[in-house]
Amino acid sequence: KQEVTQIPAALSVPEGENLVLNCSFTDSAIYNLQWFRQDPGKGLTSLLLIQSSQREQTSGRLNASLDKSSGRSTLYIAASQPGDSATYLCAVMGMEYGNKLVFGAGTILRVKS
Amino acid sequence: ETGVTQSPTHLIKTRGQQVTLRCSSQSGHNTVSWYQQALGQGPQFIFQYYREEENGRGNFPPRFSGLQFPNYSSELNVNALELDDSALYLCASSGGQGATYGYTFGSGTRLTVV
Repeated sequence: KQEVTQIPAALSVPEGENLVLNCSFTDSAIYNLQWFRQDPGKGLTSLLLIQSSQREQTSGRLNASLDKSSGRSTLYIAASQPGDSATYLCAVMGMEYGNKLVFGAGTILRVKS
Repeated sequence: ETGVTQSPTHLIKTRGQQVTLRCSSQSGHNTVSWYQQALGQGPQFIFQYYREEENGRGNFPPRFSGLQFPNYSSELNVNALELDDSALYLCASSGGQGATYGYTFGSGTRLTVV
């Protein structure tokens, strides 16, 4: 059974700091890994999608890496801003259990101005 | 191109009642999945529909059921509501079954059971 863990559970940083969010998964047989952002009480916004054959993806100040063999992904946020404050979720889509996404519990990020 | 839209945004139901939630998939997407997100947790997979057929189901009882229509929109029905059904219900759509392009999520329906 696939399990996804996100560390830390919460993070508070001053504006301008670079930060790393971690995601680990137990079954490396995945199709892809997706990072999402969720504002309080809202839906999910897709940030980055990494296919199993890829090592990283970049979008603006965001960079996500994937090490499938070790079951790890990181989301790097450069020069953080108060508008980055949200919950960040990672989800994997595995080969063994069909087409569902298995999510971590998320990292709550607060960027202080 | 329009995104995924869900309705209603909020609703309050009484224990034992039935509820129907609706989702319009993103244009060109033929796969719709439903997720339940309890407060402080990650979303949990309920089921997926691909071209109007159920295509995978999570660990939810049969009182959770769904439909997908020819235009690929979808409904989630929950019978005999329980207090623990209170959650944010998220709909996600994808072209194909999500492996290539990932999933696009709607804004969710907040269900409160009292």
